Amino acid sequence: QVHLVESGGGVVQPGGSLRLSCAASGFMFSNYGMQWVRQAPGKGLEWVAFIRYDENNKYYADSVKGRFTISRDNSKNTLHLQMNSLRVEDTAVYYCMKDAAGYGDYPYYSDYWGQGTLVTVSS
Amino acid sequence: EIVLTQSPATLSLSPGERATLSCRASQSVSNYLAWYQQRPGQAPRLLIYDASNRATGIPARFSGSGSGTDFTLTISSLEPEDFAVYYCQQRSNWRITFGQGTRLEMK
Repeated sequence: QVHLVESGGGVVQPGGSLRLSCAASGFMFSNYGMQWVRQAPGKGLEWVAFIRYDENNKYYADSVKGRFTISRDNSKNTLHLQMNSLRVEDTAVYYCMKDAAGYGDYPYYSDYWGQGTLVTVSS
Repeated sequence: EIVLTQSPATLSLSPGERATLSCRASQSVSNYLAWYQQRPGQAPRLLIYDASNRATGIPARFSGSGSGTDFTLTISSLEPEDFAVYYCQQRSNWRITFGQGTRLEMK
């Protein structure tokens, strides 16, 4: 059974940094692209970043490009999101998601989502 | 960036009724469109992919149609657990976007 468990959220001041992690189990992690999507309180979904199964391609939303870095450790079945220069508007629940198809070069639909971790950026 | 516009913003129906939700893209996305359901306090769940294919375990009362710029999610007969927020998502290029959501509420 597929499980995705995010961690690392919390409260941080504007300009600060956080590193989110997503522990994956129940599938061959190294075969699938992974993504991060966020949801501000009471708002809709916003795509954040994608990383190819072998880490060779990474894509970012314009709103986070240059500030956030997605990475993965296939030996530990773990996905990360390093968030620097955080802004108040980055406040959201961050979900990690698994691509529904393996070996993709680009983001695909997501068939499994974690339960999310809340990041609050506030002074 | 491809903008997805969902309508209506809120749909009020009763159990047993038919629900029709719309998603319009600012430019063609071919059939690279998915629908997700999000219940309160839960993560989204994939319902439909490539416009008309039901994801694993999704009941047959959910169906999707459309191509190009106009897409529809239909729920043939609403069950109590179907009252939720529904999002469309396009993947026609690497810059994934979501619609703003349609809230399906019980009348």
